[in-house]
Amino acid sequence: LAKTTQPISMDSYEGQEVNITCSHNNIATNDYITWYQQFPSQGPRFIIQGYKTKVTNEVASLFIPADRKSSTLSLPRVSLSDTAVYYCLSVNTNAGKSTFGDGTTLTVKP
Amino acid sequence: KAGVTQTPRYLIKTRGQQVTLSCSPISGHRSVSWYQQTPGQGLQFLFEYFSETQRNKGNFPGRFSGRQFSNSRSEMNVSTLELGDSALYLCASSLVGLAGGLSYNEQFFGPGTRLTVL
Repeated sequence: LAKTTQPISMDSYEGQEVNITCSHNNIATNDYITWYQQFPSQGPRFIIQGYKTKVTNEVASLFIPADRKSSTLSLPRVSLSDTAVYYCLSVNTNAGKSTFGDGTTLTVKP
Repeated sequence: KAGVTQTPRYLIKTRGQQVTLSCSPISGHRSVSWYQQTPGQGLQFLFEYFSETQRNKGNFPGRFSGRQFSNSRSEMNVSTLELGDSALYLCASSLVGLAGGLSYNEQFFGPGTRLTVL
């Protein structure tokens, strides 16, 4: 399974755009990249997923370059409520297994 | 639509005991996956059940087992508890699960069961 590596923590200020990058060593053809958000005492919550190029939804954008060895989650105009842990997840749809990164603790300051 | 529910939310056991955790998936979801979350190891995949069959398993010892019932509810059992089993155990449900060559199917996580082993 692909091993995912992401920064341990990041700080930002309200209204700024935040980009969190995850590295995917040994990513396989059947691996999809997904990002989750987790607040204390809650289970992770799906943010966005993609395979290649750019995906955008109402809360975030996901950029995956052609070699797929990294992905970048972009959160536009963050607010205090975006303070959470963000996990990069590699899902191998062939093996049916998932590998979470260690998570990036994002702290948004006023 | 009701979300994923897990019971109990908190549990305290002693070493050597066994424990059973329960997960009720979102109605209509046939896949249930279990994860262990600890500060040191992060989120680790335990196993996935689909239509009452274990479809995939992570790298955990045989003390960790599970099952799924015909209504898709799932239970996870840990026997001979060790101190290192203290963790947040998360259950996630999805329509068809992770495998099958399909694009990733969103997983909906429950709030977890906090297990403390003394």
